[in-house]
Amino acid sequence: DSGVTQTPKHLITATGQRVTLRCSPRSGDLSVYWYQQSLDQGLQFLIQYYNGEERAKGNILERFSAQQFPDLHSELNLSSLELGDSALYFCASSQRDTVADTQYFGPGTRLTVL
Amino acid sequence: DQQVKQNSPSLSVQEGRISILNCDYTNSMFDYFLWYKKYPAEGPTFLISISSIKDKNEDGRFTVFLNKSAKHLSLHIVPSQPGDSAVYFCAANPYDFGNEKLTFGTGTRLTIIP
Repeated sequence: DSGVTQTPKHLITATGQRVTLRCSPRSGDLSVYWYQQSLDQGLQFLIQYYNGEERAKGNILERFSAQQFPDLHSELNLSSLELGDSALYFCASSQRDTVADTQYFGPGTRLTVL
Repeated sequence: DQQVKQNSPSLSVQEGRISILNCDYTNSMFDYFLWYKKYPAEGPTFLISISSIKDKNEDGRFTVFLNKSAKHLSLHIVPSQPGDSAVYFCAANPYDFGNEKLTFGTGTRLTIIP
């Protein structure tokens, strides 16, 4: 158990809909990262927050947004969903805002868009 | 453009023998490299890392080798054990303070044959 929790575990929805994925980092970790893993792909970095502020951005679509709240949990919002958004979404946390710090991953949320 | 490549999608190794997983990268700005291990239905788990100032890092049965001139790194597991059966991802980070983000390969599925 990494100490990072993600809810829900599975999500099935239809095209055009909007969903919210939630992540609670390990106690004491200030950084939260979001990754997308599509079928047979590596993990694609989406976005990082550090202590409530956006710190780094990857190839995140404009339809996707995220935020980190004062209690340090984070939410990833995906809107106008398309079939290609079906993927595993992982959240990771680390103590500081450098990737030299070990990132601890949650178990992921599997999103299926029908 | 895949900047981190794991060209072997799968690898089978006899228990007790050496497992060698390979990873190539194209971005010369990458200066920190990591290996993650992933079991089904779990998030990736950090395994071992190496900085570009080193060419080898060892942790128990796991050794990572870095060949900067060839832009190649490898993970050696010896001796291989059944519990090592998992998907292994290599990841790389550029020296770009304030814009650090891990780039992952597509993974190699390692199967240890008893």
